[in-house]
Amino acid sequence: EDKVVQSPLSLVVHEGDTVTLNCSYEVTNFRSLLWYKQEKKAPTFLFMLTSSGIEKKSGRLSSILDKKELFSILNITATQTGDSAIYLCAVGYRDDKIIFGKGTRLHILP
Amino acid sequence: GAGVSQSPSNKVTEKGKDVELRCDPISGHTALYWYRQSLGQGLEFLIYFQGNSAPDKSGLPSDRFSAERTGGSVSTLTIQRTQQEDSAVYLCASSLTGEFGYTFGSGTRLTVV
Repeated sequence: EDKVVQSPLSLVVHEGDTVTLNCSYEVTNFRSLLWYKQEKKAPTFLFMLTSSGIEKKSGRLSSILDKKELFSILNITATQTGDSAIYLCAVGYRDDKIIFGKGTRLHILP
Repeated sequence: GAGVSQSPSNKVTEKGKDVELRCDPISGHTALYWYRQSLGQGLEFLIYFQGNSAPDKSGLPSDRFSAERTGGSVSTLTIQRTQQEDSAVYLCASSLTGEFGYTFGSGTRLTVV
């Protein structure tokens, strides 16, 4: 059964802390892994990863994919209250299908 | 059911025809979202249902798009007079409260030829 599992489901940290969000997957014919940030209605795109071991960075956010171990991590350094959101991981696989994890709810305390 | 079910999984239609896409959310989930994902794009919000409240339709791209949710459960997204730019994967998600624990369906791939 194809699946995407995110952990933890919920995380509360203080401003300035560094957090690591996890996403593991089992799919047939993997094509890409995507990270989204959801604050309101529509998740906003963060990263798309297709190759193992190549870190993608955007400001304080970074992500890396391990296609051998079938997982990805999303790191956020020096967290700010504006980082509070649900972070979604999704995997694109065979025939352009896409499957989402349940998300990690991140809450940053001031 | 155990998950969010969408049907059909694939739909090919001729330009100008109407289509209906169905979403069966998880039983008991009061919140239901419709999104679409075009090739190479992120998720685009379409419409949001929460319990008995009036739906948030602010994401519907044109008046050719409409959605309803009968009995607080099954939802149908209707696209009238389909255009080629409507081709996308249409995703449905539900959650218990609308704040957390989204479960996405596997989507309907719509191709307008």
